[in-house]
Amino acid sequence: SAVISQKPSRDICQRGTSLTIQCQVDSQVTMMFWYRQQPGQSLTLIATANQGSEATYESGFVIDKFPISRPNLTFSTLTVSNLSPEDSSIYLCSVDAGGRVEQFFGPGTRLTVL
Amino acid sequence: QKEVEQDPGPLSVPEGAIVSLNCTYSNSAFQYFMWYRQYSRKGPELLMYTYSSGNKEDGRFTAQVDKSSKYISLFIRDSQPSDSATYLCAMSGGSNYKLTFGKGTLLTVNP
Repeated sequence: SAVISQKPSRDICQRGTSLTIQCQVDSQVTMMFWYRQQPGQSLTLIATANQGSEATYESGFVIDKFPISRPNLTFSTLTVSNLSPEDSSIYLCSVDAGGRVEQFFGPGTRLTVL
Repeated sequence: QKEVEQDPGPLSVPEGAIVSLNCTYSNSAFQYFMWYRQYSRKGPELLMYTYSSGNKEDGRFTAQVDKSSKYISLFIRDSQPSDSATYLCAMSGGSNYKLTFGKGTLLTVNP
């Protein structure tokens, strides 16, 4: 399985600011995914990021709020913009398992918005 | 009705007990079924992966899928304190790699 790292591991941000989360994989992968994990809620897919194309967003998530970059096959960023306390959550990236359905997850970024 | 239902627990058992974790789902298009284990402040770790109906065993873990009942289970035999974690079920129809997760069940195994 791929080794995935995320930066930062946690952050505390002020309302109205933005946070950019980085996801780095130790091997080239086709698909990278960004999830949100809110307390007491299911892991929810925000968007799918493929290299060389625009990210595909799930219902309820928009590019203006969650812009994503995927400059190469080992790296992606998720920005959470115009932060509000409701954005306080854990954000996770994951990668596909070489064309198989199962995914492997990074350690997550814990965001607190004051 | 949510696509995937999972009892959030918490579930507390003594060491050595057999643990049964379950999910039900409503989407008959789901064909791929996974169980993830998530320790506190860590990312989910893939435990078991099953395609379609049937059983799959890996050490102390057994995954069962009953597509006719839209019901999946994870059994843990001889549970250990190190098994204490949140267990997430996840499912996919396969065509777009999208995973749909349950809310997770918090398990504590007491020594």
